[in-house]
Amino acid sequence: ILNVEQSPQSLHVQEGDSTNFTCSFPSSNFYALHWYRWETAKSPEALFVMTLNGDEKKKGRISATLNTKEGYSYLYIKGSQPEDSATYLCAFLYNFNKFYFGSGTKLNVKP
Amino acid sequence: NAGVTQTPKFQVLKTGQSMTLQCAQDMNHEYMSWYRQDPGMGLRLIHYSVGAGITDQGEVPNGYNVSRSTTEDFPLRLLSAAPSQTSVYFCASSYSVGLAGGMYEQYFGPGTRLTVT
Repeated sequence: ILNVEQSPQSLHVQEGDSTNFTCSFPSSNFYALHWYRWETAKSPEALFVMTLNGDEKKKGRISATLNTKEGYSYLYIKGSQPEDSATYLCAFLYNFNKFYFGSGTKLNVKP
Repeated sequence: NAGVTQTPKFQVLKTGQSMTLQCAQDMNHEYMSWYRQDPGMGLRLIHYSVGAGITDQGEVPNGYNVSRSTTEDFPLRLLSAAPSQTSVYFCASSYSVGLAGGMYEQYFGPGTRLTVT
């Protein structure tokens, strides 16, 4: 069983704040790291797929970075909005075909 | 294009009963997988398939069987339901696996909420 850890577990911010959270994963045998956004009563939806050390991806106000040598990825949200409230999951791809998910960071953005 | 569909949405079983959770995708994806989601534990992989006729175990396979006779369908069978299998089950699919497979995102179904009494 692989250890994929996300921190913090939950985060409460005010509208307009910028925030970031962390996903830690094994630094050996890296193939890919995925970030998913999971809104209440919906299914997880992919945000980013990251495969190379040093990768930086951006989608609107959300961006992510990847450090495979030290085994971590950061997700940043600039100027948080209430619609950003969701649980953010990271998933580490092991051995080409098994995904190990972290337990998620639950973000609540207050208007 | 319906994406990934799952049936039923909700199910209540008695201990010892068996049932099959259905999952289908219409995107011609090679890779399909089943996860269970329990409070505080994220998504845990039960079984996965890299193509028709090929399945393998994930992180928590005990008490579950799968088969993949077609590209589209990937049912999950509970052989003898136990209260520990009370959970929300998600099916997901992805275009490909292997060396390039990590580049492809997973698409998730709406989930099945299962309660075993």
